[in-house]
Amino acid sequence: GAGVSQTPSNKVTEKGKYVELRCDPISGHTALYWYRQSLGQGPEFLIYFQGTGAADDSGLPNDRFFAVRPEGSVSTLKIQRTERGDSAVYLCASSQIASIETQYFGPGTRLLVL
Amino acid sequence: GDSVTQMEGPVTLSEEACLTINCTYTATGYPSLFWYVQYPGEGLQLLLKATKADDKGSNKGFEATYRKETTSFHLEKGSVQVSDSAVYFCALSKGNSNYQLIWGAGTKLIIKP
Repeated sequence: GAGVSQTPSNKVTEKGKYVELRCDPISGHTALYWYRQSLGQGPEFLIYFQGTGAADDSGLPNDRFFAVRPEGSVSTLKIQRTERGDSAVYLCASSQIASIETQYFGPGTRLLVL
Repeated sequence: GDSVTQMEGPVTLSEEACLTINCTYTATGYPSLFWYVQYPGEGLQLLLKATKADDKGSNKGFEATYRKETTSFHLEKGSVQVSDSAVYFCALSKGNSNYQLIWGAGTKLIIKP
């Protein structure tokens, strides 16, 4: 597809479960970003990948959150032992180079932890 | 630390009305300022930006001027359309980062025909 895609669009899970959220960036984009958007808030930066490596993971809130991008394209955000406070929309964006202006955002995955 | 404050929504207007969405910021240094828009069911999109004081960003009939003296970047449009209904986010560049932003909470805009 032409844009950034994210799957699933919605995910409902129970407290304590493990979830994986997937991001397919625009083809050829080497930079990939994950954000978390809580209800009524702006996006909060989580992690930035340049190629396969996490160049900046300073926004990950704790060690329950982990993200990978093994082949430098698709990325998966993994959340272990989910908590109700993890409920949010998780956004992914990609760009050709690290840049604010040229980030293309996906529609997000809405995660609800019961 | 650096922060962005936006007027709370929702803002409800009739078609062809004038729009102002207030945004003020606190920051050290000289950040760039941005407005993003999120249409229903779509990803965030950059609407406009300004990189230094007194710059005016504009796009799709929207404008915002970087006012250093009042630390503001208010979004304006002279005549809104139903299709402008969306959530609007004000943001500033974080420190020396070329990819991180500090975001406002967003303002939902509803335009009635």
